[in-house]
Amino acid sequence: DAGVTQSPTHLIKTRGQHVTLRCSPISGHKSVSWYQQVLGQGPQFIFQYYEKEERGRGNFPDRFSARQFPNYSSELNVNALLLGDSALYLCASSLTLIAPQETQYFGPGTRLLVL
Amino acid sequence: GQQLNQSPQSMFIQEGEDVSMNCTSSSIFNTWLWYKQDPGEGPVLLIALYKAGELTSNGRLTAQFGITRKDSFLNISASIPSDVGIYFCAGSNTGNQFYFGTGTSLTVIP
Repeated sequence: DAGVTQSPTHLIKTRGQHVTLRCSPISGHKSVSWYQQVLGQGPQFIFQYYEKEERGRGNFPDRFSARQFPNYSSELNVNALLLGDSALYLCASSLTLIAPQETQYFGPGTRLLVL
Repeated sequence: GQQLNQSPQSMFIQEGEDVSMNCTSSSIFNTWLWYKQDPGEGPVLLIALYKAGELTSNGRLTAQFGITRKDSFLNISASIPSDVGIYFCAGSNTGNQFYFGTGTSLTVIP
């Protein structure tokens, strides 16, 4: 079975531009979470979507938005890019939201460089 | 956002040695996860813990969910070169959001 897939793998943008990152969860998983990982740090939570609804949001500005589609894939959008948005963006897939038995599986990430 | 404190920050050990690392939080968690991340890749899940006091093994790896629910420990026995990487802990009390540790970088010297 395929794991979590993300596209593109790498991306270079300039300040002020907009970017869309894509994620497909593990087959059968209905929840997708997005994380930002700056070099040398642990992943920081951005969003969680379950059944196409936003279920959690981290401390990120409104320039960051996301959505989940009927097939449970997801997009992360970032507007008005800043140099500080350069990071590895990780998508994590989980079966449901039923805590505390929940486990997240990560994709390979999209490395974004903002010049 | 909240980050968990992991220690040590980095470790340099000889092949065959055992490794211990820990993770502490100011908040109580219901779930602890341990991940390994290689450069340029996404984190790979190693062990999941769901109950205070739980001790779970995965091959040479053993992790424990602290009794206070504010900490967790990961041990690696008889380290090998492929154990090299960055180890992250992650905790959650809602299932909606996981908070990650600062990472422990492990180098194994052959």
